[in-house]
Amino acid sequence: KAGVTQTPRYLIKTRGQQVTLSCSPISGHRSVSWYQQTPGQGLQFLFEYFSETQRNKGNFPGRFSGRQFSNSRSEMNVSTLELGDSALYLCASSLDLGDEQYFGPGTRLTVT
Amino acid sequence: GDSVTQMEGPVTLSEEAFLTINCTYTATGYPSLFWYVQYPGEGLQLLLKATKADDKGSNKGFEATYRKETTSFHLEKGSVQVSDSAVYFCALSDETGGSYIPTFGRGTSLIVHP
Repeated sequence: KAGVTQTPRYLIKTRGQQVTLSCSPISGHRSVSWYQQTPGQGLQFLFEYFSETQRNKGNFPGRFSGRQFSNSRSEMNVSTLELGDSALYLCASSLDLGDEQYFGPGTRLTVT
Repeated sequence: GDSVTQMEGPVTLSEEAFLTINCTYTATGYPSLFWYVQYPGEGLQLLLKATKADDKGSNKGFEATYRKETTSFHLEKGSVQVSDSAVYFCALSDETGGSYIPTFGRGTSLIVHP
């Protein structure tokens, strides 16, 4: 069974731009979560989607948004990029809410 | 809110040494507990889990027991290998109002020398 895939793997953007990251969960998984990982803050929860609905949201500004499609694929968008948004963005899928999560390799975003 | 506290790293050991990485948590509900491992350049992988008190999760020689009375979930391995060098994350999933909130610790880096 294919694992969680994330595209692109690496991205370089400039301040003020916006970016969209994509995540394809494991087949049959209905929940997709997004995390931001930085050396300073560690792993921080962004949001979780289940059956196309946002179920949970972490403590991030409204510039961070996401959505989930009917096939469970998910995208997250960051608008008006700031230097502090440079991070590894991880997507994780699970069969159901609260189940163990399976992580993708991440998208490394660098904002210059 | 919920929180997970892990011991600061890095933890540096020689091959075949005994490993313990401490993890304690606070939670409003009755959470499930997890250990994840992250190898360099990769995402996190589930290592083991426990869903109720006194459950022992185990995988690849690693073990952790859900201790509700001490709110702990310490990770242990009897004999580490160089290939175990990675960052280990303790995590919990707690239900609040029908939603499951994931909370991760800061991670503990393990370095195993030959």
